[in-house]
Amino acid sequence: IQLTQSPSFLSASVGDRVTITCRASQGISSYLAWYQQKPGKAPKLLIYRASTLQSGVPSRFSGSGSGTEFTLTISSLQPEDFATYYCQQLNTYPYSFGQGTKLEIK
Amino acid sequence: QVQLAESGGGVVQPGGSLRLSCAASGFTFSSTDMHWVRQAPGKGLEWVSFIRYDGTNKHYADSVKGRITISRDNSKNTLYLQVDSLRAEDTAVYHCAKAGPLNWNLDQWGQGTLVTVSS
Repeated sequence: IQLTQSPSFLSASVGDRVTITCRASQGISSYLAWYQQKPGKAPKLLIYRASTLQSGVPSRFSGSGSGTEFTLTISSLQPEDFATYYCQQLNTYPYSFGQGTKLEIK
Repeated sequence: QVQLAESGGGVVQPGGSLRLSCAASGFTFSSTDMHWVRQAPGKGLEWVSFIRYDGTNKHYADSVKGRITISRDNSKNTLYLQVDSLRAEDTAVYHCAKAGPLNWNLDQWGQGTLVTVSS
């Protein structure tokens, strides 16, 4: 299953609301997770089952979608949110990741 | 707290082999499914392999099938990845990751070990 994220690059300012989209090449129900990765660090789980917030993750992060189209929304960007974001499907092996969305400071 | 510590990376010639290890602590390893994910320099994440908590079920990415073997030793709380017939495109940081409940996510990751395939 191929996952396509859009956009691949996103420039935004602190306080902005941003949305990242992940499209699957076939239906994956709600078996989608979102991760945040900062340079030189391991990925961090943000959201799973498309919309469930991982414990400890700020509520400004939210996810939605099912089937083939999913979104990750950050309601009000904070300085620590500038990172690369990946979606991952966990519906069918082999599992797969999107190509990533790099969120940069405008 | 959960700790995952990978080791075994290094520089290896094309066609060579490596065995990567992931030492786990802070959770019940013997009851937990595990994954390997890799990331080539400057590139995105690539899921590599999965092993069920008891070792009875394994899955591999198409790109590595036949060259990689995942295994575990629950008595040592250690996950392994045997990588054979290494190619330049296998150059990457290899992370082990713990599966979350019901395998709905990868909820904890190690920092990774770098494998460089070069002559």
